[in-house]
Amino acid sequence: DTGVSQDPRHKITKRGQNVTFRCDPISEHNRLYWYRQTLGQGPEFLTYFQNEAQLEKSRLLSDRFSAERPKGSFSTLEIQRTEQGDSAMYLCASSAPGQVYGYTFGSGTRLTVV
Amino acid sequence: GQQLNQSPQSMFIQEGEDVSMNCTSSSIFNTWLWYKQEPGEGPVLLIALYKAGELTSNGRLTAQFGITRKDSFLNISASIPSDVGIYFCAGSQAVGNYGGSQGNLIFGKGTKLSVKP
Repeated sequence: DTGVSQDPRHKITKRGQNVTFRCDPISEHNRLYWYRQTLGQGPEFLTYFQNEAQLEKSRLLSDRFSAERPKGSFSTLEIQRTEQGDSAMYLCASSAPGQVYGYTFGSGTRLTVV
Repeated sequence: GQQLNQSPQSMFIQEGEDVSMNCTSSSIFNTWLWYKQEPGEGPVLLIALYKAGELTSNGRLTAQFGITRKDSFLNISASIPSDVGIYFCAGSQAVGNYGGSQGNLIFGKGTKLSVKP
């Protein structure tokens, strides 16, 4: 069990560029979640997958955001035409079947849009 | 949207002191959780509570699920320097594992704990 892995750990991008983050969940975990955390705030839910199906999306997930989880393993979160307001820590978490809420977070990807 | 009110925002205590923090909501929650986050890392689950009135301990940590289902508290006894971090409460309104927002946790803004040796 190597934990939830996120890549990259840090990303600096210019406004208007597209960025993509990757999350590798714990291998036997079928649920995968994306959260966003801005400075001084708690994490905010973005979306979650059960296997390859995206079951819920927050209103925070604008049209510029898209998440995928092909084959129900790793997941990617893409942000198109980044804006300065997208600067945040993007956290991924995963949970095992039957373990809905006690999920394990990764260390996050810190995005800075300049 | 839903909000959890977490207090205090920050605490600066002496090593060995006990700590208490709480979380309240205007809405009912069916699950309460407490997480700790250290700089540059993701939150780590400390305690999960699933029943109103439930009192659960994890080492020096004790948490309770309020009877009204609108609040929860976390106590840390005999604090040590490694307790430093930000503690978040989180709640879910989903019932069981099916229906509603199954994976959606709502987090408070956190309590920043500093411990002076």
